[in-house]
Amino acid sequence: DAKTTQPPSMDCAEGRAANLPCNHSTISGNEYVYWYRQIHSQGPQYIIHGLKNNETNEMASLIITEDRKSSTLILPHATLRDTAVYYCIVKPQTGANNLFFGTGTRLTVIP
Amino acid sequence: KAGVTQTPRYLIKTRGQQVTLSCSPISGHRSVSWYQQTPGQGLQFLFEYFSETQRNKGNFPGRFSGRQFSNSRSEMNVSTLELGDSALYLCASSLGSGGQETQYFGPGTRLLVL
Repeated sequence: DAKTTQPPSMDCAEGRAANLPCNHSTISGNEYVYWYRQIHSQGPQYIIHGLKNNETNEMASLIITEDRKSSTLILPHATLRDTAVYYCIVKPQTGANNLFFGTGTRLTVIP
Repeated sequence: KAGVTQTPRYLIKTRGQQVTLSCSPISGHRSVSWYQQTPGQGLQFLFEYFSETQRNKGNFPGRFSGRQFSNSRSEMNVSTLELGDSALYLCASSLGSGGQETQYFGPGTRLLVL
């Protein structure tokens, strides 16, 4: 499975957009990019995923570069409740269902 | 639709004991995966069950086992507990098994081994 690289921590002012980068330079053509977040001591929460195209849902937007070697998760208007560890995961379309979690990015939203 | 539920939420055991944790998937989901989260190792995959069969297994000793019932509910068992088994145990469910499936996690069971 392709590895991902994320900054260990980021801060964001409340109400501003939070842009969380992820590098997955060894991603292959059949691998999805998934984003989950984990608020302290809770189970990871699914946010969004994509293959090639940019995606948007009620929680966030996912921007994947044309070469697919990196992506950015965008929380348009960060709130204090968005403070969490955000995980970027690459997962093949075929094969096993399990997720490989890295160390993620700890996002702190500052009032 | 109700989310993934796990019981119990908290558990304290002593070394050498065994423990059974339970997971009820989202209604209609047939795949259940288990993960262990510790401060030192992070989130690690234990195993996946689909249609009552183990589909996939992570790199854990045989003391860790699981099963799935015909209603898709799953249990995991840890025998001969060690201090290092203290962790948050997470269950995730998905509609099917395979890379195209999205997993949804439960709140976890926090196990403390004394």
